[in-house]
Amino acid sequence: KAGVTQTPRYLIKTRGQQVTLSCSPISGHRSVSWYQQTPGQGLQFLFEYFSETQRNKGNFPGRFSGRQFSNSRSEMNVSTLELGDSALYLCASSIGRGGLYEQYFGPGTRLTVT
Amino acid sequence: DAKTTQPTSMDCAEGRAANLPCNHSTISGNEYVYWYRQIHSQGPQYIIHGLKNNETNEMASLIITEDRKSSTLILPHATLRDTAVYYCIPFYQLIWGAGTKLIIKP
Repeated sequence: KAGVTQTPRYLIKTRGQQVTLSCSPISGHRSVSWYQQTPGQGLQFLFEYFSETQRNKGNFPGRFSGRQFSNSRSEMNVSTLELGDSALYLCASSIGRGGLYEQYFGPGTRLTVT
Repeated sequence: DAKTTQPTSMDCAEGRAANLPCNHSTISGNEYVYWYRQIHSQGPQYIIHGLKNNETNEMASLIITEDRKSSTLILPHATLRDTAVYYCIPFYQLIWGAGTKLIIKP
């Protein structure tokens, strides 16, 4: 069974631009969660989608948004990029609601904002 | 939110058992405790989870105290490939702590 895939793996953007990251969950998994990981703040939860609906959200500004499609694939968008958005963005999928089932993580997208 | 406390770092000799403690004194009665690990530059990897009873799988064992205020992850025969950051996560913790950096020494 294929694992969680994330595209692109690496991305360099300029301050003020926007970016869209993509995540394909493991086949049959309906929950997709997104995390931001930085050296200073560690791993922080962004949001979780289940059945195309956002079920939970972390403490991030509205510049961070996401969506989930009917095939469970998910995208997250960051608008008006700031230098502090440079991070590893991780996507995780689980068969059911996150927290009740183990999550499987993708390799991440490394975003650098210059 | 439930809060966890883990040692910042630990060393263990290769071939010995690595015991990683986690304090989760504020966890609620129906909150599972999950353990993940992250090897440098990779996404976190699920290890094991439990609620009240001790659990064992092919990777590790999880011992949860009767009062559920703490747990210990046991890697029975640590190898160099077990060097990673280990996270103890209660159900739906929005911010993962810094975890424990486990270094396996030859």
